[in-house]
Order: sequence, then C-alpha cells, then structure tokens
Amino acid sequence: AQTVTQSQPEMSVQEAETVTLSCTYDTSESNYYLFWYKQPPSRQMILVIRQEAYKQQNATENRFSVNFQKAAKSFSLKISDSQLGDTAMYFCAFMKHGEYGNKLVFGAGTILRVKS
Amino acid sequence: DGGITQSPKYLFRKEGQNVTLSCEQNLNHDAMYWYRQDPGQGLRLIYYSQIVNDFQKGDIAEGYSVSREKKESFPLTVTSAQKNPTAFYLCASSTTDRGSEAFFGQGTRLTVV
Repeated sequence: AQTVTQSQPEMSVQEAETVTLSCTYDTSESNYYLFWYKQPPSRQMILVIRQEAYKQQNATENRFSVNFQKAAKSFSLKISDSQLGDTAMYFCAFMKHGEYGNKLVFGAGTILRVKS
Repeated sequence: DGGITQSPKYLFRKEGQNVTLSCEQNLNHDAMYWYRQDPGQGLRLIYYSQIVNDFQKGDIAEGYSVSREKKESFPLTVTSAQKNPTAFYLCASSTTDRGSEAFFGQGTRLTVV
C-alpha cells in the first residue's frame, strides 16, 4: 500500500522569505505522479504543483518548486517570496493509476502560516 | 462556470439516521471521488467511480454507500453503521488520464448529534 508522510504538522514563515515543506512516500511502483495541494481557510482544495516520477527535472510553477528525489522517495515543496495568501494547509499526495483508474493518497498535511 | 457543487455546506443529523450528501459536476469528467477529512489525518478515500454505473471501495468504505447513475452526479450516503460520521466530506472529479488533476468541491461539514 502507498503511504504519504508529512512530518511537519505546522510551520511559519515571515512574508517574503522562503520555506520548504517536507514529504516522503512509500511505494513499489515505478510510474506515478506526485502532487501538492493547498487548502486555504475557505477549505477549497487547489492544485499547487504536479510531478511525474519519470521526469527528472523538478517541476516549477512561479514561486512554487519541488525537490523530487526518486531514490529517496522524497518530494518537498519550496515556496519562495512567501505571501500572506500562502497561509493554508498543504497536502502532499501520491497518485497511482491502476485497474480501476486513478487513486490519490494524501499525507496528513502541514499548516503553513505566513506572518507579516 | 464549470465546477463541482456540493450541498449542503453544513448538515446536522441525529445519531442513527442515514444522510445523503450531494455532489454534482459539470466538467464532463468520468471519474469522481469522495474523501473524508479529519484533523491530523489528511484526506482519506471513501469511494471512487471511473464510469457511470460502476464504483470501487476506497480505504474507509465501511458505513458508507454511493451510486453513480449519471455522469454528473455521485451522491454519498452516510449510514447509521458508520461509527464516527462527524467529519468534513470532500467530493472531487477528474478525467481518467494518467496524472490528471483532481478538482474539488467546497465540502460538506456533517455533524451527528
């Protein structure tokens, strides 16, 4: 079974600084996708970034980037130039494509607070 | 606007009653999902469906039931057999392509008293 571990229940960062959220996962699969989702206080889940395991290049979306270490099964999220609107719960997720389609497995989440 | 609609936003029920949570999407997605969110546990998969009239159990299906009679709709029934039903419930949809993004509704907060 796939598991996703986020070891940081809560983090805080000053506005304009950089923060890194950690995620590790366990799988025997070779082809899979990894995601970071953001859940702000409104509780609306929003995709932040996506990484395909076969791609060696780390994904980047504006101020958000990942450090994907496939051998170590690590998938951390770096947020640069943090903004107050980045305050949210962040979930790391693993997607497996199987016989019955896609399944997303989520970590427990990290609460990020951006301080002014 | 395309999206996923969950209703109601808040739901209160007495213990022992079944309750049905609604989820409708107009994104033309084949796949739909139900997740339960509890503090400190992230999102856990209850049921998912890749096509009309077919669905699969997720990791915590006990005490829940679903139907998928229409592509747009995937209602979730929380039965009296669910021992701890008070939680936040999220519905999502996606295409069936590998690695496709899941789009989420705004959730339903169910409180059983």
